[in-house]
Amino acid sequence: GEDVEQSLFLSVREGDSSVINCTYTDSSSTYLYWYKQEPGAGLQLLTYIFSNMDMKQDQRLTVLLNKKDKHLSLRIADTQTGDSAIYFCAESIPLKLIFGTGTLLAVQP
Amino acid sequence: EAEVAQSPRYKITEKSQAVAFWCDPISGHATLYWYRQILGQGPELLVQFQDESVVDDSQLPKDRFSAERLKGVDSTLKIQPAELGDSAMYLCASSLLGQGGTEAFFGQGTRLTVV
Repeated sequence: GEDVEQSLFLSVREGDSSVINCTYTDSSSTYLYWYKQEPGAGLQLLTYIFSNMDMKQDQRLTVLLNKKDKHLSLRIADTQTGDSAIYFCAESIPLKLIFGTGTLLAVQP
Repeated sequence: EAEVAQSPRYKITEKSQAVAFWCDPISGHATLYWYRQILGQGPELLVQFQDESVVDDSQLPKDRFSAERLKGVDSTLKIQPAELGDSAMYLCASSLLGQGGTEAFFGQGTRLTVV
């Protein structure tokens, strides 16, 4: 079946690193995505990783993929107050994009 | 910059009334999605179009929801009659192709409140 799970809440101090975790169940995932949603807004794609990759880095963002454990993480270095939002991981399986429940990231000044 | 346009941004309607949402995808994007996002949850796919054809509507409550994309460009999602449980954010997204590495761009959404 298709199921994507995330922890609900993460609180960090400004300047620290944030790590948001995600687990998925469908082994046929081709791509995995991280989206950011600010209050009252749509979803913004932050980054994505192909399923045959282990890591992808894009400026302050690092994505780690453990395909064996079906575990995906997003690390945000030097977290800023502007990073406060809900972060969704999503897995891409043929013709579908399945979203997790979202992790609320709260950044304390 | 190209973006997915949705209207209205906000809609308040009484239960049992009809309501419709409109989406204009990014030009050239063949795939269009309608998602529903209930407060505190992740988006749930309602319907997916490839051009004007429905490729997945397995989660669409067909007794009250309908969606169309007649010319393979813009799309309308309708609810009739609306129920209290339909209160949610309705998100439209589009991509060049189906999922599998092509980015899905999301609109700002329509927040529906049924009273």
